[in-house]
Parts: sequence; structure tokens; C-alpha cells
Amino acid sequence: DTGVSQDPRHKITKRGQNVTFRCDPISEHNRLYWYRQTLGQGPEFLTYFQNEAQLEKSRLLSDRFSAERPKGSFSTLEIQRTEQGDSAMYLCASSLAILGETDTQYFGPGTRLTVL
Amino acid sequence: AQSVTQLDSHVSVSEGTPVLLRCNYSSSYSPSLFWYVQHPNKGLQLLLKYTSAATLVKGINGFEAEFKKSETSFHLTKPSAHMSDAAEYFCVVGGGTDKLIFGTGTRLQVFP
Repeated sequence: DTGVSQDPRHKITKRGQNVTFRCDPISEHNRLYWYRQTLGQGPEFLTYFQNEAQLEKSRLLSDRFSAERPKGSFSTLEIQRTEQGDSAMYLCASSLAILGETDTQYFGPGTRLTVL
Repeated sequence: AQSVTQLDSHVSVSEGTPVLLRCNYSSSYSPSLFWYVQHPNKGLQLLLKYTSAATLVKGINGFEAEFKKSETSFHLTKPSAHMSDAAEYFCVVGGGTDKLIFGTGTRLQVFP
């Protein structure tokens, strides 16, 4: 399967702990996105990378959140000092940038985070 | 700023009858519009994409959507519902800097 993969699929943690999620994009894609989806809502944009560069961060991304894409391939999203409000599905998507139009983004299965 | 409004949070249809999921958009320029589907415990799957090439866009699994600029609408339709169509559907607008802005979703139920 050559789609977007995410690991782990589920994570249960206690409040105050740090967690890290990984996303492996489709191999030829140069853009990688992170979204967060809470119950009953549509996904909300968090941040995105073009190659290694983090080009935009949402105001939803507090200073407890950090994302990296060190070699322009896989990406990690870390949440420090987790809070119960961080419980959500974290989605990763990748795309191939096309000049002049919005990319088609392909989504992974998501990582479901539960903070107790 | 771009936004989308999905007019129905739930739609129920009988198998074999038409499906209509409604979406209005707001955009300060010519938008890119998408419909994604999310089945339980599965990732988001692209149904179709509008990028101004044609106002009627055909997607996968028999779905299509029509872009109507005068009505700022991008409704999703299918002539005949199948049980496997039961899922959450999201209308999405491209957010200018390539982030996607999702609607709140419409849950489609299909009854036998």
C-alpha cells in the first residue's frame, strides 16, 4: 500500500504526559499537512510543510504543540503536557504541489488520542 | 476568507432513491471545492474536486456535484443510493494557502 500512513493508530495517555505521532506521506509528495478532528466536527488545519519548511501554523497550534519534517519525508507531531482538551483524531495528509490550484490532499487513517 | 456551510447535519434516504447533500461556500476568489467521505474507522477519501474546468464534476462511486457561482453552491448528488454510501460527507474549500477548510459534515443514513 502506498498511501499515507500514521502511527500509532490509537494512543491513550494521562494528562501531563508528552506524546508523539508519526506520519509517512505518499513518497513523491512534497507537501504534508496536519489536521485535528474532534467528535462531530470537520477536521481543522493545524500546520503544513513544503519539503522541510514549515510554512504555516494555525493559531490552534499552541506552544505545547510542535511539528517537524526533518528530511522532507516523514513528519512528527509532538504534544507536550497533554490536556484533556487535546483528545481528538489527528489526521495527516500529503499532496503534490500544483502551481495555480489547490492541491488534492490524500489523508491517512489518523491517530486517535485520548487523554485521561 | 473562505468558508463552507453544510445545510443538513443528517440526511436519511432509502436504498435506490436519490441523494442530495447541500453545501454553500464563501470565497473571496475563484475557489477550489471538494467533497470528501469518511466511513467509520476509515480515513477521509476524496470523492471529487472542482477547479473551474467544468461546472459539473463527476466523482467516484456515481457521485457528482455542480458548481453554481450565482448561488454559491456545490451540492453533491447521486441518482440511486446504496447501503455502502452510509457515511459522513464533508464539503471542503481550498483555503488560499492550500490548507483545506472543512464544513461540519453531513451524516448520510441509507435504509433498506
